[in-house]
Amino acid sequence: GEDVEQSLFLSVREGDSSVINCTYTDSSSTYLYWYKQEPGAGLQLLTYIFSNMDMKQDQRLTVLLNKKDKHLSLRIADTQTGDSAIYFCAEDVSGGYQKVTFGTGTKLQVIP
Amino acid sequence: DTGVSQDPRHKITKRGQNVTFRCDPISEHNRLYWYRQTLGQGPEFLTYFQNEAQLEKSRLLSDRFSAERPKGSFSTLEIQRTEQGDSAMYLCASSALSGGAVTDTQYFGPGTRLTVL
Repeated sequence: GEDVEQSLFLSVREGDSSVINCTYTDSSSTYLYWYKQEPGAGLQLLTYIFSNMDMKQDQRLTVLLNKKDKHLSLRIADTQTGDSAIYFCAEDVSGGYQKVTFGTGTKLQVIP
Repeated sequence: DTGVSQDPRHKITKRGQNVTFRCDPISEHNRLYWYRQTLGQGPEFLTYFQNEAQLEKSRLLSDRFSAERPKGSFSTLEIQRTEQGDSAMYLCASSALSGGAVTDTQYFGPGTRLTVL
C-alpha cells in the first residue's frame, strides 16, 4: 500500500539549515517529490528525485534518498524567513503519469 | 501564461445541495488532475485526465462525484447531494510532458474551499 509519513512541525533559526524527513512504504516508487505550500497559495514543486539516485542538489536544496530504509529528506541551507511554509513529501507509484501520494506535511517555522 | 485558475475560490452550501467547480489549466497542458485536501492533511488524488479522457479515478471518488473535461481544456468537478464530510479544499493541477523530459511538473491552482453546512 501507499503511505507517506512526515513529522508535523520543525522550528529553526534564520541562517541555520533545516532538515525535513519523510518515510514511505511503497518500494515501487519511481519519483519522489518535495512540494512547498504557503498560506493561501497553491502547491509549488520544489524538486524531485528519481528512485535510482541517492542525492540531488539544487541551489540551497539537497535531497537525500535512502531506498533501503525508504527514507527521503530535504535539507534547506541558510534557511530564510521566506522558507516558512508547509513542506510535503510525495511519491509517484504510477510509473509516469504522476498519480501522486502526498505525506501529511511538515510545517517549517523560521525564527528571525 | 496565467497559471492554473479555479472558480469559485470559496463555496458555502447546505447539506444535500449540488455544487460544481471549474478548473482552467495552463493552456496546452494535456494532463489535468483533481485532488482533495482536508485540514492538516496532504492532498489526496481524486482523478486524472489526459486530454478529454478520464484515465483513473480514486476510490475516494464516490458515485456522488463526477468530473469532466469535455474538450480537453477546462474541467469541472461536480458533487451531488453534498455531505458535511465533503468539506475540504479541492485542488486542480495540470501538466504537460515535454519531449525528452523524464517526468512532468504538476502546476497547482489556488484551490476551491468548500464548506458544507
